[in-house]
Amino acid sequence: DGGITQSPKYLFRKEGQNVTLSCEQNLNHDAMYWYRQDPGQGLRLIYYSQIVNDFQKGDIAEGYSVSREKKESFPLTVTSAQKNPTAFYLCASSIPGGIAQYFGPGTRLTVT
Amino acid sequence: AQTVTQSQPEMSVQEAETVTLSCTYDTSESDYYLFWYKQPPSRQMILVIRQEAYKQQNATENRFSVNFQKAAKSFSLKISDSQLGDAAMYFCAYRTPIPYNNNDMRFGAGTRLTVKP
Repeated sequence: DGGITQSPKYLFRKEGQNVTLSCEQNLNHDAMYWYRQDPGQGLRLIYYSQIVNDFQKGDIAEGYSVSREKKESFPLTVTSAQKNPTAFYLCASSIPGGIAQYFGPGTRLTVT
Repeated sequence: AQTVTQSQPEMSVQEAETVTLSCTYDTSESDYYLFWYKQPPSRQMILVIRQEAYKQQNATENRFSVNFQKAAKSFSLKISDSQLGDAAMYFCAYRTPIPYNNNDMRFGAGTRLTVKP
């Protein structure tokens, strides 16, 4: 089955620790995206990547980092510099210039 | 910057009835795309329907249809014959045509739809 997988579904970390969220897709999509979702708000773009070895900051990139070494994978690291990291994180992908984005199931990160 | 507004934080509908969710957006572009995404309790975002701004005909997908009013910058979603499985958060989204090295997709804050049996 083609799709986007995110793991784990729930993640717990202590404050001050970096944590990496996984996103893998087998849709052969070139473009991938990371969004953050907070209660009562829509999705906000953290980072996006249109091709391997290239990525761009979105609206709320501070405190996050990404890499894109493979077409299938776009991991997101939430660093200790992110002031309020507890949130639901969604990964998406699309073909370049594609109209719609397709989403993974998300990861709920809780930092205490 | 483009903004998307969903003025109804919550809506409810009786099973088998029809409900309309509202969305307005602000843009100076003439060419763009609009979407409705559904987020059920599983939190998986599912594409429900999309509309290209250059198309005058309103998009339809089974029980889901839109009323696209370009001049008014309005994009409402109508769900007919509502089913219990339609209960979810619904997000309206806007996207400009994509130059290869650009991205601009904006989401509204969402409308929580409850379906009463």
